[in-house]
Amino acid sequence: NAGVTQTPKFRILKIGQSMTLQCTQDMNHNYMYWYRQDPGMGLKLIYYSVGAGITDKGEVPNGYNVSRSTTEDFPLRLELAAPSQTSVYFCASSYSTGGSQPQHFGDGTRLSIL
Amino acid sequence: GDSVTQMEGPVTLSEEAFLTINCTYTATGYPSLFWYVQYPGEGLQLLLKATKADDKGSNKGFEATYRKETTSFHLEKGSVQVSDSAVYFCALSSNQAGTALIFGKGTTLSVSS
Repeated sequence: NAGVTQTPKFRILKIGQSMTLQCTQDMNHNYMYWYRQDPGMGLKLIYYSVGAGITDKGEVPNGYNVSRSTTEDFPLRLELAAPSQTSVYFCASSYSTGGSQPQHFGDGTRLSIL
Repeated sequence: GDSVTQMEGPVTLSEEAFLTINCTYTATGYPSLFWYVQYPGEGLQLLLKATKADDKGSNKGFEATYRKETTSFHLEKGSVQVSDSAVYFCALSSNQAGTALIFGKGTTLSVSS
């Protein structure tokens, strides 16, 4: 069972470069999320989506963009990479939001901006 | 706004010791509560959950009870193993549609043999 798949697993970028972090899920979940995890800070929500064509900002959206053209895919775009975006990025999906539905996480993308 | 506070780590234990990781929350209404575990180099996995007051979630020998009167959801295990070494996150989910999980900062557990 694939679940939530993230690519790449590791990446080093130079300041000012751009890249797209890929996320795909095969559980037919409507809801998808992007988090960043910084040491000792837990997970912070960047963007989320409630279905194809619908996205909304989370707690820390600055410097990122997302799109959701299909139910399966939810890519995260960094346009001008900055050192503050060095982090581990997790994509997650769920059947619904709120209530008792758990989120299913990918294995993460470890990104360094130098 | 809603928030989760969990004990800071690292927590270092010997194999077969008793584990408690404290978690308290602030929320309006009646949130659902979760414990997630993150093993080295991996994503987060759901460990257990509870959706209403006095519910007890359990899995793999871990337990946590939803205590509304103390707004707590402490994680316990009677006898830890080396394989339990990981980072543990407490999280809550508001019962309002369109809201995401709110996580605590995580507690690192290291178990030695």
